[in-house]
Parts: sequence; structure tokens; C-alpha cells
Amino acid sequence: DVQMTQSPSSLSASVGDRVIITCRPSQSIDDYLNWYQQSPGKAPKLLIYAASTLQSGVPSRFSGSGSGADFTLTISSLQPEDFAIYYCQQSYSIPWTFGQGTKVEIK
Amino acid sequence: EVQLLESGGGLGQPGGSLRLSCVASGFSFSTHAMSWVRQTPGKGLEWVSSISDTGARSYYRDSVKGRFTISRDNSKNTVYLQMNSLRAEDTALYYCANYIATTGGFSLVYWGQGTLVTVSS
Repeated sequence: DVQMTQSPSSLSASVGDRVIITCRPSQSIDDYLNWYQQSPGKAPKLLIYAASTLQSGVPSRFSGSGSGADFTLTISSLQPEDFAIYYCQQSYSIPWTFGQGTKVEIK
Repeated sequence: EVQLLESGGGLGQPGGSLRLSCVASGFSFSTHAMSWVRQTPGKGLEWVSSISDTGARSYYRDSVKGRFTISRDNSKNTVYLQMNSLRAEDTALYYCANYIATTGGFSLVYWGQGTLVTVSS
């Protein structure tokens, strides 16, 4: 199985801050990488697919980059509604696997 | 508006069975592949199983192979997860989600709100 390692596991940030979350798979996965946001009590929501393509309706302050075995999710200016847990997920091989999550908290 | 509504969760006995259902609306169900994903506080998000749009192909994680069966009824816009030989480690919130093929693999686009399965005697 491809292991997905996110860092950091949690971070504290203020509204307006730039936030960067890293995801490193245990092997190269080309660009078969998705990012999801999960707010408390809600289901995950797709933010970015194919490593860098913004899902329809997702604000442009979210961006993704990377390929192979090193990916990042960037929030350019953190908004109150962005405080949530973020997960990366690979679909390069079955079983699809998720990172452990990065919790973004209010400083 | 896309909606996925799961049901069928509850308390299951170790070694027992449960059948989860997920009714879809707001999109062309018969042309979308579907998946089940579970979540626990300890293991986080875990993909469980997927089924193609026609139902001809299905996929499972190793820990549920031979115990769980995914199926669908396109006339009822419903996907199912038959869970047999339940184990304590199957305890989780189970989500159904549709997935699409993109230039970079597959993405779980719409998710239901989940149904809670607890396996305990």
C-alpha cells in the first residue's frame, strides 16, 4: 500500500496567514493526488484533484502543486471558514490511501 | 443539488452482518462509479470499496475482501455494502461517495453524511 504522510499534523494560524501543508507518498504517484477539506461534523469536500486542479466552486486562495512524491496544498490567505482538517489522498494504486490529516486551528 | 443519503448503520454483533444503503439524487447515477469510505478517530479515512458505473467491476481493500460485497441497483439509484463476518475493527462512520476519472486518477467528488457502524457484543 502507498503510505501518505502529511506534515504538519496540526498548525495554528491567524486569519490572513499563508498556510502550506505537505503530503509525501511512500512512492511516486505521478499526479494522482487529491486534497480534501473536512469541517467539524461534515463529510470531506474535494478541493483539488490531479495535484493542482481546483475543483469547481472552490475559492482561488486554495492551490496545489507537486508531482511524484512531494505535494503541497497552499492557502494563500486563511479565512475563518478554512479552519478544518485537510487530507491528501492518492488514487495511483488500490487501495486508495489517505494521509493522516492536518488540523488547521485558530491562533 | 447532489445528495447521497446513507442508511443501515447501527449495532452489529461480531461475526454478524449489516447492509448499508446509499440513495443518490441530483446527478446521473447510472453513469457514475461509487465508493464506500470509512472513518475512525484512530485510523482516519480509509477507502473500503468501489464499484463501476455498470456494476461490472468492483474493488476492495484487503481487510474486507471476502467479507464485504459492494453492489448497485441503477433502477433505484442505490449502492449497497453488504458487510458480513463483522469485526470490532469495522466500527466506523461509513460514507458513500461518487468518484470520477480525471487527468490525474480518480477523485471522490460528492459524499454523503455517513452512517455509523458499531461492532460490539
